[in-house]
Amino acid sequence: DTAVSQTPKYLVTQMGNDKSIKCEQNLGHDTMYWYKQDSKKFLKIMFSYNNKELIINETVPNRFSPKSPDKAHLNLHINSLELGDSAVYFCASSQASGGASYEQYFGPGTRLTVT
Amino acid sequence: AQRVTQPEKLLSVFKGAPVELKCNYSYSGSPELFWYVQYSRQRLQLLLRHISRESIKGFTADLNKGETSFHLKKPFAQEEDSAMYYCALGNRDSGTYKYIFGTGTRLKVLA
Repeated sequence: DTAVSQTPKYLVTQMGNDKSIKCEQNLGHDTMYWYKQDSKKFLKIMFSYNNKELIINETVPNRFSPKSPDKAHLNLHINSLELGDSAVYFCASSQASGGASYEQYFGPGTRLTVT
Repeated sequence: AQRVTQPEKLLSVFKGAPVELKCNYSYSGSPELFWYVQYSRQRLQLLLRHISRESIKGFTADLNKGETSFHLKKPFAQEEDSAMYYCALGNRDSGTYKYIFGTGTRLKVLA
């Protein structure tokens, strides 16, 4: 049974398009995250939601908009895609809004390629 | 500023040799450090955390506050240890807990 799932796994699209990536967790966790991993494998947090409330919003272009319809889902919508948005996007969840005792569980990643 | 530094992008060792993946951090508060691992075609997963002081898959990591380091060590590397390793610093400075990841080290264990 998959704990954190993301769809799609691969996404190839053209510049200027709008696309969404979906994330679902079946662990009953309160907190979900989006991370971006660039071509150099640098992993950086973008957003975090706790019980559908935005709690972390790093310096991310406002073309990126997370949406959490319920605490089991955190979707990422990207408007006007640019070449620099090409990356692997990881969703994660944790039992609470973080702490040394709370492991983050990661999804398999979505590889976004903008052409 | 909070920062995690992993100086080696790639580390190659022979099977059976000792391995040490370096991690240094910059943080003024009380740090919470983690090691995450990503095996080929698998998702990123927790390997160990400093508060547990445990050995997982033969790996250990000791928090050295004097040297601000949390190096990952294993006395005898195995081929299945080949993976991408990320050191992460957890903190609640901004009011919410978040991880700051290092840039990762790819470990290749050669037969």
